[in-house]
Amino acid sequence: DTGVSQDPRHKITKRGQNVTFRCDPISEHNRLYWYRQTLGQGPEFLTYFQNEAQLEKSRLLSDRFSAERPKGSFSTLEIQRTEQGDSAMYLCASSLEAGGADTQYFGPGTRLTVL
Amino acid sequence: AQSVSQHNHHVILSEAASLELGCNYSYGGTVNLFWYVQYPGQHLQLLLKYFSGDPLVKGIKGFEAEFIKSKFSFNLRKPSVQWSDTAEYFCAVKDTDKLIFGTGTRLQVFP
Repeated sequence: DTGVSQDPRHKITKRGQNVTFRCDPISEHNRLYWYRQTLGQGPEFLTYFQNEAQLEKSRLLSDRFSAERPKGSFSTLEIQRTEQGDSAMYLCASSLEAGGADTQYFGPGTRLTVL
Repeated sequence: AQSVSQHNHHVILSEAASLELGCNYSYGGTVNLFWYVQYPGQHLQLLLKYFSGDPLVKGIKGFEAEFIKSKFSFNLRKPSVQWSDTAEYFCAVKDTDKLIFGTGTRLQVFP
C-alpha cells in the first residue's frame, strides 16, 4: 500500500514539551496538507504545501506551530511548548494538483495527548 | 469563507433501511464537494466527489450523492444500509485549495 503515512501514530507528552510529527505523502503528489481534528468535530485546516512552498496557513496555526517540507516530499509539523489544548488528532493529506480538481487522500493521523 | 452544515449528528438504522444524510454549504458559485467516511479505527477515506457535470454522483459501496445548486445541498444516500456501513461520515467543500469539513454524522447500523 503506497498511501499517506504518518509517524508516530500516538504521542503522549507533558505540557511545555516540543513534539514533531512526520508525514510521507503518496509519492507522486505535489501537495501536502495538515489538518487537526478534535473529538466530535470535522478536520480543520492548518496549512498546506505545494512542492516545498508553504502556500497557506490557518489562523489556527499559532506561532508555536511550524511546518516544513524541505525537499517537496515528506513534511514535518512541530509544536513547541505544547499546551493541553493541543491534544487532538493531527491529519496529513496529499493530492496531485490538477487545475483545482485534485482530490485529497488522508493518512491515519497522529493522536497527540498533552498531559 | 465557506462553511458546511451537517444537521444529522447521530443516525441509528436497522440493516436494509434507506439512508439520507444532509449536507449544506454556505455559498454558491463553482463548488467542489466531497463525502469522506471514517470506519472505526481507520483513517478518512473518500466515498465520492463532485466537481462538475452530472449532479448525481455515484461512489463506492453503493453510496450516491446529489448536488442541488439551488438548495446549496449535497446529500448522501444509500438505498439499503448494511451493518458494515457503521462509521462517521463527513461532508466537505473545497475553499480555494483547502477542504472545509462539516462536524460529521455518526451512523450506527444494527443487524
